[in-house]
Amino acid sequence: ILNVEQSPQSLHVQEGDSTNFTCSFPSSNFYALHWYRWETAKSPEALFVMTLNGDEKKKGRISATLNTKEGYSYLYIKGSQPEDSATYLCAFMNTGFQKLVFGTGTRLLVSP
Amino acid sequence: NAGVTQTPKFQVLKTGQSMTLQCAQDMNHNSMYWYRQDPGMGLRLIYYSASEGTTDKGEVPNGYNVSRLNKREFSLRLESAAPSQTSVYFCASSEGPKTGLFFGEGSRLTVL
Repeated sequence: ILNVEQSPQSLHVQEGDSTNFTCSFPSSNFYALHWYRWETAKSPEALFVMTLNGDEKKKGRISATLNTKEGYSYLYIKGSQPEDSATYLCAFMNTGFQKLVFGTGTRLLVSP
Repeated sequence: NAGVTQTPKFQVLKTGQSMTLQCAQDMNHNSMYWYRQDPGMGLRLIYYSASEGTTDKGEVPNGYNVSRLNKREFSLRLESAAPSQTSVYFCASSEGPKTGLFFGEGSRLTVL
């Protein structure tokens, strides 16, 4: 069983705050780590796919880092805006299979 | 641009009835997935298909069957529905293991 854990479970910040979440995954047999944003009443949308230890990805105010040796990834949001309110999911794929296993997500609420 | 299309969007079944959820993608993707989403449990993988002609079990395959009819279509069948299968079902597709998933809009299934 692949265990993918995300913390915190939920987060409430004020507009303009910077914030970060953690995704923990097995450190052995790593293949890829995904991040998704899931807005209420919509479907998840891919933010990043990272495959190499030390990878850093950035899209606007959102960035992510990856440490495959210790089995964690961080997602950062700089200067949070109300439209950033969503659930952020990470998902792990190992080398043995091509299935993608999701964590339970971090629910972010940004208040104006 | 249809992307990933799921049908039906809503369905109510009685215990013991059977039904098939249909999924089609028009992006020529190799991999397709079926997930279920339950409160507090995130997205759990039911079955996936890494390429046309192959299917594999995910985390929660019991009570389901799948068919990868061709490269475009991946259907999920409930042979004898149970109340525990009440959930929102998402189909997704991707080019391959190192690319992000594109999700359908979801199908809400209620089993009475």
